[in-house]
This record gives sequence, structure tokens and C-alpha cells, in this order.
Amino acid sequence: SQQGEEDPQALSIQEGENATMNCSYKTSINNLQWYRQNSGRGLVHLILIRSNEREKHSGRLRVTLDTSKKSSSLLITASRAADTASYFCATLRYSSASKIIFGSGTRLSIRP
Amino acid sequence: DTGVSQDPRHKITKRGQNVTFRCDPISEHNRLYWYRQTLGQGPEFLTYFQNEAQLEKSRLLSDRFSAERPKGSFSTLEIQRTEQGDSAMYLCASSLASGGGEQYFGPGTRLTVT
Repeated sequence: SQQGEEDPQALSIQEGENATMNCSYKTSINNLQWYRQNSGRGLVHLILIRSNEREKHSGRLRVTLDTSKKSSSLLITASRAADTASYFCATLRYSSASKIIFGSGTRLSIRP
Repeated sequence: DTGVSQDPRHKITKRGQNVTFRCDPISEHNRLYWYRQTLGQGPEFLTYFQNEAQLEKSRLLSDRFSAERPKGSFSTLEIQRTEQGDSAMYLCASSLASGGGEQYFGPGTRLTVT
């Protein structure tokens, strides 16, 4: 079964607006990652945040992590048409774990 | 640097036939993973290798599925006696064991069983 659940399942915003996606998970984690998937293609790693970090930035991306609530959020600022994709959070349970567990994703559409 | 590649990109087969997919990871990566993804869902872990050793298999991986990584480089995933429920995107990813857990994905093989 999947560890994470993203919210909302789908999001449609105007180009230039900010997009926020949330992820909740069930067990304690070592790190949480966000991936992007364009239609029908493989996934691209966006950003990783460790369990002892609370916020991380990368370009137009901002990720927060609240381990007490077992939740994370991904903010994309100044959205562009090219940001249209599905976004997945994935968790690594402990540092020696072999696999990451994906959530069900948020489908983001950017309207021109 | 070439990323993770998968072959074929698309496969249409009739129920009951066997199919084999290939994955070539990033050359210096010692871990290789297989996932299955159905429409509207996130990838589901199937199995992973560290070098040539298959170290973990999901309960999703029935006995009709077998994966190999004979020389610790490329990997194959074979599905025997395919069923319509096997229709999905099969994704391969690779990583460094010493890395932080981030994985690098191939474009996937889309399997359609008719």
C-alpha cells in the first residue's frame, strides 16, 4: 500500500499564480522527496528534505516538513505552463531502507 | 551522461504471452529498482537489486514475474502468461547505495495486454 497521500488530487491554476500541494504520510521517515511526472513519462526528482529539516528551497520550489503532523507541502511559485504535470511525494523510512514509497499524486494544470 | 533507458517503450501483447523488458541504469549506480504504475496512481515498488543481488521483492510480484541483473549492470523484467491486469507502465530507476535515497527514473515501458 502507498505511504503518502497527496492533497488535492487535482489542481488547476492560472499561469503566474502559486501552486501548493500537500502530502501526508503514516510512519516515521528518514527523508521525504518530491518528484514530477509529465504525461506518460518517467519521474524526475525535484527536491529532498530530511527529517531534521523544516524547510528547503530550490529555485521556484519551496518544501516544508512537519514531522509532528507527518505532513509536507510543496509550493511552486510563479507557475509556468511547463509546470503542468503530476507531482508525487515519496518517503524513505530509514537511512538504510532500500525503497521509497510513493503517494498517489497531485495533477497540476496551469492555464495560460 | 546518458540517463536510465528502457526498452521497449511500448509493448502490446496478447493474454497468455510472455514479455521481457530491459533497463539500463546510470552506469555508476549500483542500485536498480522496478516499479509498476497504473493510471492515476503513484508508482508501486516491485523489486530492487544492489549490484547483481536481488535484495527485496514486493508481494505484488507474483510468481509470473521474474527479474534479473546478471552482471550488476542492465536488468530484465519478465512477465510470463500475461493477464489483462498486468497492463501498466513499468518503470525502472537507479541510484547510488550511498546516496540519500533519490532515484533516477527511466521513461518507462507501457504494457498493454489484449
